[in-house]
Amino acid sequence: ELKVEQNPLFLSMQEGKNYTIYCNYSTTSDRLYWYRQDPGKSLESLFVLLSNGAVKQEGRLMASLDTKARLSTLHITAAVHDLSATYFCAVVIPNAGGTSYGKLTFGQGTILTVHP
Amino acid sequence: DSGVTQTPKHLITATGQRVTLRCSPRSGDLSVYWYQQSLDQGLQFLIQYYNGEERAKGNILERFSAQQFPDLHSELNLSSLELGDSALYFCASGGVNYGYTFGSGTRLTVV
Repeated sequence: ELKVEQNPLFLSMQEGKNYTIYCNYSTTSDRLYWYRQDPGKSLESLFVLLSNGAVKQEGRLMASLDTKARLSTLHITAAVHDLSATYFCAVVIPNAGGTSYGKLTFGQGTILTVHP
Repeated sequence: DSGVTQTPKHLITATGQRVTLRCSPRSGDLSVYWYQQSLDQGLQFLIQYYNGEERAKGNILERFSAQQFPDLHSELNLSSLELGDSALYFCASGGVNYGYTFGSGTRLTVV
């Protein structure tokens, strides 16, 4: 059974600091997604990583994927309060129809709080 | 608006009752996925349908069932509700090629 583990689960940061959230998964996959969720809201897609070595950046967030290590990272640069949210990574597992419509398996989520 | 529509947004019901949650996928998406999000269990995959057929099943209780109709909308039926069924229920549509998009969710409260 696929396991997706994030750490840390709770992250309290000061504004202006840098930090990294890690996402490890237990089986071979080259499809990894990062989502953001605000309290009581839906999941907003941040990054889609579809190959080994993929790196994507948007604003103060940068995500990368190492399929050999089964590891993805979400790096936060110079954090601001607006980044406070819960961040999830998710891995696609193929089903009988292949990878294209595989289900997403999520990590536990990392609750990020950015303080002034 | 993500393109995935879920109704109702909120639902309060008593234990032992039955409810139906509805999801309309993004235009053109054939696949629908249902997830349950609770505080202690995180985001759990329940079931997937592709073009009307069940494609994958996760940790879905026997009291829960789902279907996808010819117009591709999907319904998740929850019966004999228990307090522990209180959660946010999300529907997503799409896949690897076009992305997975989530609806705004249905918050179910069982009292």
